[in-house]
Amino acid sequence: DAGITQSPRHKVTETGTPVTLRCHQTENHRYMYWYRQDPGHGLRLIHYSYGVKDTDKGEVSDGYSVSRSKTEDFLLTLESATSSQTSVYFCAISGTVSGNTIYFGEGSWLTVV
Amino acid sequence: QQQVKQSPQSLIVQKGGISIINCAYENTAFDYFPWYQQFPGKGPALLIAIRPDVSEKKEGRFTISFNKSAKQFSLHIMDSQPGDSATYFCAAVNDYKLSFGAGTTVTVRA
Repeated sequence: DAGITQSPRHKVTETGTPVTLRCHQTENHRYMYWYRQDPGHGLRLIHYSYGVKDTDKGEVSDGYSVSRSKTEDFLLTLESATSSQTSVYFCAISGTVSGNTIYFGEGSWLTVV
Repeated sequence: QQQVKQSPQSLIVQKGGISIINCAYENTAFDYFPWYQQFPGKGPALLIAIRPDVSEKKEGRFTISFNKSAKQFSLHIMDSQPGDSATYFCAAVNDYKLSFGAGTTVTVRA
């Protein structure tokens, strides 16, 4: 157990509404990530953070924003949800505490209708 | 485009058989190659990992073979068991960022 909690675990929302997913970690890891998983694509990096207030884009960042105001929390926001953002979202963490191994949370299932 | 190419997309193996999954990469900056196992409804869990200065790593029934010159690596699951039925992802790490293969669904028939 890498001490990662994602919330909500399941959400159904309407097109055009804002959505925020939260990732909370308990072990003071420096790096935090948001991935999305879709059939045939594996997991793709949306955004990541390498410290408080330090974030950068991944390969599929369009339509998403992130914030990290404290070490333990990394928020992913869909400003205006679209059906193409229906996916499973995974938070992950890494850092010297984990020996630089990347560990994943249990996932958040998002459906945009 | 996918930085790590994985094959096959799926495979079926009899109990006790060997499952082999192959991956290839182009970016020589990758410096760590983990494999993840994922069960339905769960997050990916680290299974085994290797660094490019090692050609083989074995942990129980799972072995990674790594060919640095060919930029290829593979996972072998020996004596496959029904509990090994899952989706397996290869990955490559550069600068603390993971790039994943598309995944292989392994089904072990009893």
